[in-house]
Amino acid sequence: DAKTTQPTSMDCAEGRAANLPCNHSTISGNEYVYWYRQIHSQGPQYIIHGLKNNETNEMASLIITEDRKSSTLILPHATLRDTAVYYCIVRVGPGSARQLTFGSGTQLTVLP
Amino acid sequence: GAVVSQHPSWVICKSGTSVKIECRSLDFQATTMFWYRQFPKQSLMLMATSNEGSKATYEQGVEKDKFLINHASLTLSTLTVTSAHPEDSSFYICSASGQGAQEQYFGPGTRLTVT
Repeated sequence: DAKTTQPTSMDCAEGRAANLPCNHSTISGNEYVYWYRQIHSQGPQYIIHGLKNNETNEMASLIITEDRKSSTLILPHATLRDTAVYYCIVRVGPGSARQLTFGSGTQLTVLP
Repeated sequence: GAVVSQHPSWVICKSGTSVKIECRSLDFQATTMFWYRQFPKQSLMLMATSNEGSKATYEQGVEKDKFLINHASLTLSTLTVTSAHPEDSSFYICSASGQGAQEQYFGPGTRLTVT
């Protein structure tokens, strides 16, 4: 699975959009970008995933660059409950029962 | 989304004893379950992968005789930490994936403290 690089930490004001970047310059053509988050002392929570098109769901939007070497997770209106460690993971996609390899992630702190 | 539960949510045991942690998929059939371990201020590390009805596949450095994994049904996997020692104290998290699933669903984790 391709390696990812994320900033160690970010702050965001409550109510504002949180934009979390991820670099994955060695991504292969059949690898998807997944985002999970982990609130303190809880199990990780799936957020969104995509291959090459931008994706949006009720939680977030995922913007993938045209060359697929980087992506951005957008939380449109961050709340205090969005404070968590966000993990960007690249791996072969749906239907493949492979483990997720977690990096260090980005600690997002939403400030009141 | 699908729900995965773990039991217990926390456990304290004495050194030398064994502890069993259960992972259940509540509303789907989990053909594959994964067990992760997370030490304080660190990321999740995969311990083993289990497929229903098969022996688990352990990651390098994880002792299979110490961490016994059983995946006897499509909704239940168990991790037994045998002869636990203080260094086994950690946050243990399972995840489950169904046949052809879009993503993995994680349990809430089990905090193990060995005294």
